[in-house]
Amino acid sequence: DAGVIQSPRHEVTEMGQEVTLRCKPISGHNSLFWYRQTMMRGLELLIYFNNNVPIDDSGMPEDRFSAKMPNASFSTLKIQPSEPRDSAVYFCASSFGYNEQFFGPGTRLTVL
Amino acid sequence: QKEVEQNSGPLSVPEGAIASLNCTYSDRGSQSFFWYRQYSGKSPELIMFIYSNGDKEDGRFTAQLNKASQYVSLLIRDSQPSDSATYLCAVNRPGGGADGLTFGKGTHLIIQP
Repeated sequence: DAGVIQSPRHEVTEMGQEVTLRCKPISGHNSLFWYRQTMMRGLELLIYFNNNVPIDDSGMPEDRFSAKMPNASFSTLKIQPSEPRDSAVYFCASSFGYNEQFFGPGTRLTVL
Repeated sequence: QKEVEQNSGPLSVPEGAIASLNCTYSDRGSQSFFWYRQYSGKSPELIMFIYSNGDKEDGRFTAQLNKASQYVSLLIRDSQPSDSATYLCAVNRPGGGADGLTFGKGTHLIIQP
């Protein structure tokens, strides 16, 4: 099994630009999670989906952030417009029900 | 608001000794508790989970849960240099489906050879 796949692994962009992060969960998993990790705030849940349906997006910092899951094998997290304070490592994780969440390698985002 | 508190460390332990990592949580409704290990520059990986009060052992690792005190701990016996990492405590509160995890900020553990 390839595990959770995220792309890109690194993204450097300028303030104001649109950023799209991508995630492919483990085949057969029905839950997908987006987390953000910074030194100051640690690892924070942004949003999660069950069976492709967004369940809780209360962790999304503001309207500049949006996430979609058009099918069971793909999800995107979009930031528009990006700001320097969005710089962080963004992790995608997937699970089957309440079982273990498997994390992807993360996308390191730098907004200049 | 769910909160999970951990001592950030660093916690320095000599090789071969027992490392003890602690975590407290604020949501009394929390039902599932997890310990993740994260090496620098890598993603978190699950090492232990516990649902019931008491101890759960897996190899060199023991998780301990006390729901009355809202306290969960992780013991690592016979600590090895390869155990040096940040250990993240996480809790969830299942309800109608998989739930996202609330993480502590982690404890940085250093095993001294």
